[in-house]
Amino acid sequence: EPEVTQTPSHQVTQMGQEVILRCVPISNHLYFYWYRQILGQKVEFLVSFYNNEISEKSEIFDDQFSVERPDGSNFTLKIRSTKLEDSAMYFCAKQQGSGEQYFGPGTRLTVT
Amino acid sequence: GQNIDQPTEMTATEGAIVQINCTYQTSGFNGLFWYQQHAGEAPTFLSYNVLDGLEEKGRFSSFLSRSKGYSYLLLKELQMKDSASYLCAVRDWAGANNLFFGTGTRLTVIP
Repeated sequence: EPEVTQTPSHQVTQMGQEVILRCVPISNHLYFYWYRQILGQKVEFLVSFYNNEISEKSEIFDDQFSVERPDGSNFTLKIRSTKLEDSAMYFCAKQQGSGEQYFGPGTRLTVT
Repeated sequence: GQNIDQPTEMTATEGAIVQINCTYQTSGFNGLFWYQQHAGEAPTFLSYNVLDGLEEKGRFSSFLSRSKGYSYLLLKELQMKDSASYLCAVRDWAGANNLFFGTGTRLTVIP
């Protein structure tokens, strides 16, 4: 099974602070995704990234969010000014050629 | 828009067979996925159907009927470790292959 790693595993931050969540795919893929899951709720799509550009984004992905692939390897999600409601698990996923999406272990973000 | 429905909870006995249903109404369709998610962990890919019919993978099978907007996940020979949430997700053709998830079915396997 393909591997995706995410760092940190847990991030605690104060409201209004900026956070950067990182995703490192083991092998090169073109399609990457960020999803989030608020505790007890369903997994929600945030943004897809294809060939180093944003391909699609949801209504959740507003101006406080941004994604980058700064060095061609790491894939980051930045939240500029965190809010309490941003507390959630954030999952990076990558897509295989057959269309299957594999999720990383996630980063638990806690905003206080 | 997208609407994906699954039962909230199910209970089944170890060694038995359980079927978890999923119905969907989406603006586009390019495949239906099933994931397993243990509490506090990431979703783990189980199966993917894009054409009608049954896909079998060991103890897990998944069925799709596109005309009915319906899928099910069948788990055979249940084990205690199968206690988890099972997530149905649809890939929207109109989007960049991102997935829309249902709320998940929490399965409890009892001895």
